[in-house]
Amino acid sequence: AQSVTQLDSHVSVSEGTPVLLRCNYSSSYSPSLFWYVQHPNKGLQLLLKYTSAATLVKGINGFEAEFKKSETSFHLTKPSAHMSDAAEYFCVVSGDSSYKLIFGSGTRLLVRP
Amino acid sequence: DTGVSQDPRHKITKRGQNVTFRCDPISEHNRLYWYRQTLGQGPEFLTYFQNEAQLEKSRLLSDRFSAERPKGSFSTLEIQRTEQGDSAMYLCASSSTGRPSYEQYFGPGTRLTVT
Repeated sequence: AQSVTQLDSHVSVSEGTPVLLRCNYSSSYSPSLFWYVQHPNKGLQLLLKYTSAATLVKGINGFEAEFKKSETSFHLTKPSAHMSDAAEYFCVVSGDSSYKLIFGSGTRLLVRP
Repeated sequence: DTGVSQDPRHKITKRGQNVTFRCDPISEHNRLYWYRQTLGQGPEFLTYFQNEAQLEKSRLLSDRFSAERPKGSFSTLEIQRTEQGDSAMYLCASSSTGRPSYEQYFGPGTRLTVT
């Protein structure tokens, strides 16, 4: 069975400081991993994806994530937070033949001015 | 590419009534997925179609729920005899079977409130 665990339900940072959102995964397959973002009253948007190519993945809006198989982690980072980054972030795993997505419970990112 | 659209965006219904939601995927996508998201949780998989065939259903999809994709284009999700526990955001997503088939594009969702 596949699953993801997002280690923090809320993260609060000051504008201009680094962001770290933590995610651990479990998968019996070689996983595909994603981060999605959900702004209030807007649809889910794909930030970035890992699909067994480079372990350091770059996404939109300056976000990056590193796949670490030995730690079963896929943490999301950004060097400098912007007010517009405030949203809900979901770590997601997929890997079986249906490609259905298994979502974590989400991390709400708050950005203080 | 006009994106995935869902209708209606909001639905308020009384317990025991039937409701139907519609999803229009991106036109060239032959896979279509339904998810449900309750407050404070991540979306949960309900079912998916490849063309008109419904290939997988979650245990979350009780016998009061039915989904169709009659011509392999738009899809409908019907909930019969709604219960308060059905209150949630219902999300539709689509993807292609060509690479990268894992990349799903989501619609804005239909928010259902059962009173």
